Amino acid sequence: AQSVSQHNHHVILSEAASLELGCNYSYGGTVNLFWYVQYPGQHLQLLLKYFSGDPLVKGIKGFEAEFIKSKFSFNLRKPSVQWSDTAEYFCAVNPKAAGNKLTFGGGTRVLVKP
Amino acid sequence: DAGVTQSPTHLIKTRGQQVTLRCSPKSGHDTVSWYQQALGQGPQFIFQYYEEEERQRGNFPDRFSGHQFPNYSSELNVNALLLGDSALYLCASSRGTGGAEAFFGQGTRLTVV
Repeated sequence: AQSVSQHNHHVILSEAASLELGCNYSYGGTVNLFWYVQYPGQHLQLLLKYFSGDPLVKGIKGFEAEFIKSKFSFNLRKPSVQWSDTAEYFCAVNPKAAGNKLTFGGGTRVLVKP
Repeated sequence: DAGVTQSPTHLIKTRGQQVTLRCSPKSGHDTVSWYQQALGQGPQFIFQYYEEEERQRGNFPDRFSGHQFPNYSSELNVNALLLGDSALYLCASSRGTGGAEAFFGQGTRLTVV
């Protein structure tokens, strides 16, 4: 069975700092990859997705992620965070052979101090 | 264009009772998946419905069952509730079953006492 690991459970940083959240998955086949964000009191929203093509994908709100197939990784980055980026971030993997089933990591809580 | 809507938003049940949660998918979507999110964890896949049939199932006992209606809305039923069933239950909708992007509802917070 596939699994997804997010390395950091909690991250605290100041506004304008750079953010990088790690995500590794275990699955040998072809996958679709996602980052979802959950702002306080809101539902899960898609930040960005990778299906195929350019391994560097850009999402909403200045976020980007890089798929490194050899490392089974899909790390999320933002060069300069804002207080409004305070949220919980989830990496999710969908093996292409598994229909729409998503396997999520445990999440990373990010607190951006003003 | 309404997104995914779930009801109720909060629910308190007693151990041993049964509960039904409801989900209406985003307009144009025909596939509904259910996830359980325990406190401090990521969502875990329960099952997925497409064309009114359960297509995939995660590692959940038979106490968890579901249904999809002709209008694509769905219900999640949990029988013989346990304290450990306390969680946020999320519904996600998408188009087809080929790995399309999933849109999530706000969830139903179930507390079993």
